[in-house]
Amino acid sequence: AQKVTQAQTEISVVEKEDVTLDCVYETRDTTYYLFWYKQPPSGELVFLIRRNSFDEQNEISGRYSWNFQKSTSSFNFTITASQVVDSAVYFCAPQIEGNKLTFGGGTRVLVKP
Amino acid sequence: NAGVTQTPKFRILKIGQSMTLQCTQDMNHNYMYWYRQDPGMGLKLIYYSVGAGITDKGEVPNGYNVSRSTTEDFPLRLELAAPSQTSVYFCASSYSISANYGYTFGSGTRLTVV
Repeated sequence: AQKVTQAQTEISVVEKEDVTLDCVYETRDTTYYLFWYKQPPSGELVFLIRRNSFDEQNEISGRYSWNFQKSTSSFNFTITASQVVDSAVYFCAPQIEGNKLTFGGGTRVLVKP
Repeated sequence: NAGVTQTPKFRILKIGQSMTLQCTQDMNHNYMYWYRQDPGMGLKLIYYSVGAGITDKGEVPNGYNVSRSTTEDFPLRLELAAPSQTSVYFCASSYSISANYGYTFGSGTRLTVV
């Protein structure tokens, strides 16, 4: 059963547009952490953001922002004013089972100049 | 500080061959993980370890074995390689899931079974 769902498989935007990536997950835990990672064409996995489940205040870090809603188990991620270098696959990875992360299927973002 | 080191970076195996993917970390992390990433897909957990001498199965353990004799090393063994094991394998380590960045990942091993 799919426990972490990233419904958007691919998003294509023109540079400077905003991009919002959706993530929905299933968990019985009440306290957990959530992460977003980026995988550029070179293949490495790059940490982007971390969020805990007991603080629902949404935050902004540079061009990145995120919207966490515990009631709907959603953890959406937004890139503001996208750039060509943002072209990558983005993974949502919540800690929904023990001391390990469960990854979604990823969303490929293509930013065109 | 090397972080998480995976070797080899690339490997081609014939069906039925065996091999060990090496993973070493120098950060004194207790938690270590092996994931596989099939083309166009997310990462799936194969095995993980919460400390030396302790290992546990993840979502897709069949066809693999692991050992954790030291804090630093977490090798992944493939016995009787099959084409379905063609994938990119990532090793990761963590001091704690609550750590600021979650995992530290290795650069991956691209394995092709022919």
